[in-house]
Amino acid sequence: DTGVSQNPRHKITKRGQNVTFRCDPISEHNRLYWYRQTLGQGPEFLTYFQNEAQLEKSRLLSDRFSAERPKGSFSTLEIQRTEQGDSAMYLCASSLVTTGSEAFFGQGTRLTVV
Amino acid sequence: TQLLEQSPQFLSIQEGENLTVYCNSSSVFSSLQWYRQEPGEGPVLLVTVVTGGEVKKLKRLTFQFGDARKDSSLHITAAQPGDTGLYLCAGVLENYGQNFVFGPGTRLSVLP
Repeated sequence: DTGVSQNPRHKITKRGQNVTFRCDPISEHNRLYWYRQTLGQGPEFLTYFQNEAQLEKSRLLSDRFSAERPKGSFSTLEIQRTEQGDSAMYLCASSLVTTGSEAFFGQGTRLTVV
Repeated sequence: TQLLEQSPQFLSIQEGENLTVYCNSSSVFSSLQWYRQEPGEGPVLLVTVVTGGEVKKLKRLTFQFGDARKDSSLHITAAQPGDTGLYLCAGVLENYGQNFVFGPGTRLSVLP
């Protein structure tokens, strides 16, 4: 296992379309996080899972956003009816509960809404 | 209002110079992390500090966690062009959830 994997790396979509991103965490990690990062800013927290349970959601996560981690392994983040303001880098990270202070990030998915 | 502030926002120095970047908050953190990020890539974890007053060294990088666990600094000795990037501090707030709060970053450019 070489680290957190995110797919796709880049996605260009038309406004109003739905998009789905996938994150495969480090295999033994039970916590999984989603963040969003816009140009010139630090990552902003969206949500996190411990195993399959979604334990915390940011107010940034509008009704158009939904995240799942059905078997406690990989996770998906879906954005419905995309808007131009959704254009950003979407980052996934994972950590172990026992060493929760160390989170490892994937390379991100760059979303461009046109 | 950012929970974590970083300074300076931008820093451009010559190869061989020393530098320090700062991460400050009015909140207490149970742990604090430093990451380095290159354009188009995800952040890469450099270090985690958990104890107030803790100092960690990673080759030419020295990280310090404030005694009150509200601030941290990163010092780079003899900077090299390969140190160029966005340096992000992040922390887990004490007694409040398990997500990582990020600062806005310090963009470092080391010129040859």
